[in-house]
Amino acid sequence: EDKVVQSPLSLVVHEGDTVTLNCSYEVTNFRSLLWYKQEKKAPTFLFMLTSSGIEKKSGRLSSILDKKELFSILNITATQTGDSAVYLCAVNSGGSNYKLTFGKGTLLTVNP
Amino acid sequence: GAVVSQHPSRVICKSGTSVKIECRSLDFQATTMFWYRQFPKQSLMLMATSNEGSKATYEQGVEKDKFLINHASLTLSTLTVTSAHPEDSSFYICSFPPSFFGQGTRLTVV
Repeated sequence: EDKVVQSPLSLVVHEGDTVTLNCSYEVTNFRSLLWYKQEKKAPTFLFMLTSSGIEKKSGRLSSILDKKELFSILNITATQTGDSAVYLCAVNSGGSNYKLTFGKGTLLTVNP
Repeated sequence: GAVVSQHPSRVICKSGTSVKIECRSLDFQATTMFWYRQFPKQSLMLMATSNEGSKATYEQGVEKDKFLINHASLTLSTLTVTSAHPEDSSFYICSFPPSFFGQGTRLTVV
């Protein structure tokens, strides 16, 4: 059974702090790893990672994948209150059809 | 950008009744889309894969006769929860992967 484990489950920080969210996985047919931000309802796509060691960056967010150790991290620098959300990690084991297994998410709260 | 429209966003129904949830892509076509369910403080759990023009594929433990999926066109998929029970109360969300999710439907069965 495919498994995705995220840590921590929740995190409270102050504006300006840097946070690192973790995602480890065990899947039988790894294709890619994806990060999403879920604020209220629909998850918003952040990154898709397929290759080890190549950092993907978007503004203050960045992510990297380690396929040997089977984990990924999502970094957020200079956090803002608008970063408060649940961050979901998912692994695609379905190829082009993107059959995703999600972790439980990390609830990030950024206080002013 | 692409938009996925899911409705209703919230529905309350009585036990034993059926509820239909629609998921529509507004500016792209998809032969495959996914339906997920999310209980409070839990992960998004894949229920089924909806295939345009053919039968849906259900995950283990999901009753296909209870959760009817119809993918009638390349832009519309529906999930019908039949004979709903309180334990079916959950957040249901459709996805045209990997980037696009519907807004979700909060179902409460009373």
